[in-house]
Amino acid sequence: SQKIEQNSEALNIQEGKTATLTCNYTNYSPAYLQWYRQDPGRGPVFLLLIRENEKEKRKERLKVTFDTTLKQSLFHITASQPADSATYLCAPASGGSYIPTFGRGTSLIVHP
Amino acid sequence: KAGVTQTPRYLIKTRGQQVTLSCSPISGHRSVSWYQQTPGQGLQFLFEYFSETQRNKGNFPGRFSGRQFSNSRSEMNVSTLELGDSALYLCASSRQGDQPQHFGDGTRLSIL
Repeated sequence: SQKIEQNSEALNIQEGKTATLTCNYTNYSPAYLQWYRQDPGRGPVFLLLIRENEKEKRKERLKVTFDTTLKQSLFHITASQPADSATYLCAPASGGSYIPTFGRGTSLIVHP
Repeated sequence: KAGVTQTPRYLIKTRGQQVTLSCSPISGHRSVSWYQQTPGQGLQFLFEYFSETQRNKGNFPGRFSGRQFSNSRSEMNVSTLELGDSALYLCASSRQGDQPQHFGDGTRLSIL
């Protein structure tokens, strides 16, 4: 069955450093992959979408890579700030239904 | 531009009752998806509606149903509530299948 793996342990980093979050998937050939941010008690907020024919995508301090050979996506936040503290969800989607399957998320804590 | 609106935000019900949750998508978005989020299972896909038709369905029992109206607004109904139905129910809208989903802040359903 399809499996999405994100690090269940919280990632603690110091303000100003680069945070790197990992998303691995198995038994899956996604047409694209999305990253979301979720704060406690709120719905997920869309951040970036990267398609299978793209290697990398950037938006301001955010960067996503997509390696279909390794079946992995990396999400980077450069010059991290305490306001970046949240849970980040990875969500690949197949080309058939386009319904994303969500990972359990990784909690990022940025210390001032 | 108004975001996705879900009502009510909080709901308390008892076992055996039924409940209807409402979702107003972003204007111009024709696809509406529903998800259940629990600490144990993460975000689980319930179903997706597009132009008033259920286009995709997740692996949930028939007690969970939905519909979409001609103005793209959607409702989700859960009958014969069980304790395990306690969760955050999230609605997400998008223009079409392969576009980013935009989430509401959900309805927190508690079953006593």
